[in-house]
Amino acid sequence: TQLLEQSPQFLSIQEGENLTVYCNSSSVFSSLQWYRQEPGEGPVLLVTVVTGGEVKKLKRLTFQFGDARKDSSLHITAAQPGDTGLYLCAGADTDKLIFGTGTRLQVFP
Amino acid sequence: DTAVSQTPKYLVTQMGNDKSIKCEQNLGHDTMYWYKQDSKKFLKIMFSYNNKELIINETVPNRFSPKSPDKAHLNLHINSLELGDSAVYFCASSQVLRLATEAFFGQGTRLTVV
Repeated sequence: TQLLEQSPQFLSIQEGENLTVYCNSSSVFSSLQWYRQEPGEGPVLLVTVVTGGEVKKLKRLTFQFGDARKDSSLHITAAQPGDTGLYLCAGADTDKLIFGTGTRLQVFP
Repeated sequence: DTAVSQTPKYLVTQMGNDKSIKCEQNLGHDTMYWYKQDSKKFLKIMFSYNNKELIINETVPNRFSPKSPDKAHLNLHINSLELGDSAVYFCASSQVLRLATEAFFGQGTRLTVV
């Protein structure tokens, strides 16, 4: 069974701090997506990474796909309260997404 | 205009009842999904349909029966509800059944079985 483990599970930080969320698997994925989910809403796609070693930036968010395509990281610079939410990585299997265990981020003003 | 809409948003029902959740997408996508998110926020696929055809059934009890009358709709009927069915159920759609395709999610239906 493919499993994507995220760490940390919970993260509470002050506004302005930097943080990194990790997504690790023993399986190789052809691509990996990151979603953010806010309370009472469905997940919304942030980014898709496809190539091993790929780095993508989305304003203050930096996403990296591991060289072996088994892991990924999300780095947030100068976190803001609006970044609060559940962050989910998802590996693309043949015909479905395998979601990670999730990281709940809370950013305090 | 809501891209993926599901109703109801909240559903509270007693054990043993039968209930349905409806989902509609107006994105013109070929593929629709049902996901279950448990109390620990773990999101797991239940079913996927491609052009009204069942593609994935992830060992879900047969009390759960999806129905896709057309490719814009995917409903979920649950018979003989159990306490363990309490969760948030998400409908989603994607353009095609293919790797690296973005999934668009509805707002979820919070099902509570008492």
